[in-house]
Amino acid sequence: GDSVTQMEGPVTLSEEAFLTINCTYTATGYPSLFWYVQYPGEGLQLLLKATKADDKGSNKGFEATYRKETTSFHLEKGSVQVSDSAVYFCALSERAAGNKLTFGGGTRVLVKP
Amino acid sequence: DAGVIQSPRHEVTEMGQEVTLRCKPISGHDYLFWYRQTMMRGLELLIYFNNNVPIDDSGMPEDRFSAKMPNASFSTLKIQPSEPRDSAVYFCASSLEQHQPQHFGDGTRLSIL
Repeated sequence: GDSVTQMEGPVTLSEEAFLTINCTYTATGYPSLFWYVQYPGEGLQLLLKATKADDKGSNKGFEATYRKETTSFHLEKGSVQVSDSAVYFCALSERAAGNKLTFGGGTRVLVKP
Repeated sequence: DAGVIQSPRHEVTEMGQEVTLRCKPISGHDYLFWYRQTMMRGLELLIYFNNNVPIDDSGMPEDRFSAKMPNASFSTLKIQPSEPRDSAVYFCASSLEQHQPQHFGDGTRLSIL
């Protein structure tokens, strides 16, 4: 079945540092890929998405590129802020599986001033 | 545009009691999802509906759990009887159509004593 693997946290960074969160997936078909972010005490919010190979999703300074050859969708941000402290989830949605999202385990990011 | 609204935000009750969680999806969204989030198991999809009809309830852990969607603007998740291991944060999400991003509510933090 489908699965998503992302790096375990917590990831602790200083403000203005470069952030990378690795995400790889296994799918039988051709999935859409998502990054969601969860701030403390809140639900998940869509951060960015990509629906086909080589698509780059971007939002709020974050970027991720759909790499079919390596089945990856790594999240990056060039200069993080304290406000980026949150839990980040990689997820996929496959047409054959209806509209179900398969989530990775989440990566907690802590940015220190 | 109001987001997904869940109630209550917090629920503390004793084991054996019936618990009812409520969700109002975003108006016009055809899909509604119920998730459970715990430290041990991460995010789990419990059940989802399309146009008020349950499509996949394979994630519902036991017969103690039931979900209904009597109309397009309301859904409930009921646990009867509740047990301490049901303690978790329960999220409701909705999406406009298949393969569109899901919008999450802020969740219900459930504690069963």
